[in-house]
Amino acid sequence: GESVGLHLPTLSVQEGDNSIINCAYSNSASDYFIWYKQESGKGPQFIIDIRSNMDKRQGQRVTVLLNKTVKHLSLQIAATQPGDSAVYFCAENNMSQKLVFGQGTRLTINP
Amino acid sequence: KAGVTQTPRYLIKTRGQQVTLSCSPISGHRSVSWYQQTPGQGLQFLFEYFSETQRNKGNFPGRFSGRQFSNSRSEMNVSTLELGDSALYLCASTVDRAKNSPLHFGNGTRLTVT
Repeated sequence: GESVGLHLPTLSVQEGDNSIINCAYSNSASDYFIWYKQESGKGPQFIIDIRSNMDKRQGQRVTVLLNKTVKHLSLQIAATQPGDSAVYFCAENNMSQKLVFGQGTRLTINP
Repeated sequence: KAGVTQTPRYLIKTRGQQVTLSCSPISGHRSVSWYQQTPGQGLQFLFEYFSETQRNKGNFPGRFSGRQFSNSRSEMNVSTLELGDSALYLCASTVDRAKNSPLHFGNGTRLTVT
């Protein structure tokens, strides 16, 4: 079936450490993936995307890794800051051109 | 550029009523998608409009409908409201979903059905 899931519903990290948020997807035909950040009271905010012809893409303090062999996606946040506290969603673009979202991981930063 | 604007931010309705939500996309974006977000189901795709045509639809009953105007602004309507329709309704726009461009979301309309 078509589903995007997250391994952990919550993640706590120390301020300044690196965070890694994981995502598993089931549709091997999905060709495009996006990570979103959602803060309380706001809509999801685009962080970074990656196409299936790539394994890695870097942005400002963030890196997305795509492993098509095991259908796994991860978001790495370097030097995590208090402002990074939010719920993070991965999303995959399936063959029906629908963007399917995972359930989300809540990232909490400890001072 | 201004972001995606959704109105109203909050709505309280009673069962059986209907509601219309409005979305103004980012200037130049022709594709508008709607999502329902609940704690239990997460983000669920409702439908997508492009150039005033519904191009894709999720698995929601016919009580949920939408439309897009020539200026790309979109509305969604929910008729005969049920308690389970209480949710955050999110609108997102992009240049063209078919070209794998990312969705940009508004802050949503929080609908409470009593």
